Amino acid sequence: DAGVTQSPTHLIKTRGQQVTLRCSPKSGHDTVSWYQQALGQGPQFIFQYYEEEERQRGNFPDRFSGHQFPNYSSELNVNALLLGDSALYLCASSPPGQGSYEQYFGPGTRLTVT
Amino acid sequence: AQSVTQLDSHVSVSEGTPVLLRCNYSSSYSPSLFWYVQHPNKGLQLLLKYTSAATLVKGINGFEAEFKKSETSFHLTKPSAHMSDAAEYFCVVSDPPGSGGYNKLIFGAGTRLAVHP
Repeated sequence: DAGVTQSPTHLIKTRGQQVTLRCSPKSGHDTVSWYQQALGQGPQFIFQYYEEEERQRGNFPDRFSGHQFPNYSSELNVNALLLGDSALYLCASSPPGQGSYEQYFGPGTRLTVT
Repeated sequence: AQSVTQLDSHVSVSEGTPVLLRCNYSSSYSPSLFWYVQHPNKGLQLLLKYTSAATLVKGINGFEAEFKKSETSFHLTKPSAHMSDAAEYFCVVSDPPGSGGYNKLIFGAGTRLAVHP
């Protein structure tokens, strides 16, 4: 049973560019959450997707947007990249009805903005 | 709003000695509490969770944590450290269903555990 997968593993972008990160949830899971983990800090909640809608959002600007597809996979898009967007981006999936009780994390995408 | 404070950024122990990682939380509700572990270049793994059942929670790899409402604490312990326990540990809070904070995990800043031979 494959766990949560994310692609790409690493990414280098230039300031002002746009980036798309991808996440495939664990089999049977229908909810996807995204977190940003800056170096030396704990992860911060960006948003959560359920039934292809953004269900909840953290304190991130509108430059951060997402999408969930009918197969429950998800994308995180960041526009107009800033140096401060350099971080590890984590995706987590949850089984139906479990919300935050059961979140399984992927290995993350390391984004470097130069 | 929920928040989590991990009282030590670094903890160093010798192999075979007890581990104590301290965590205090703040929440307007009766929250759920979690400990996650992150090994270098690996994803986050759930160690244990408290969701309003027994206050002493047992997790994987011999870890356990005790929920103390009066002290708003959720400290993580292990009787005997192993070299493989060296990692970053995160205390996490989430508010219950029906509250605005449900579905999102609020992480502490982390405690780096070093285990020496």
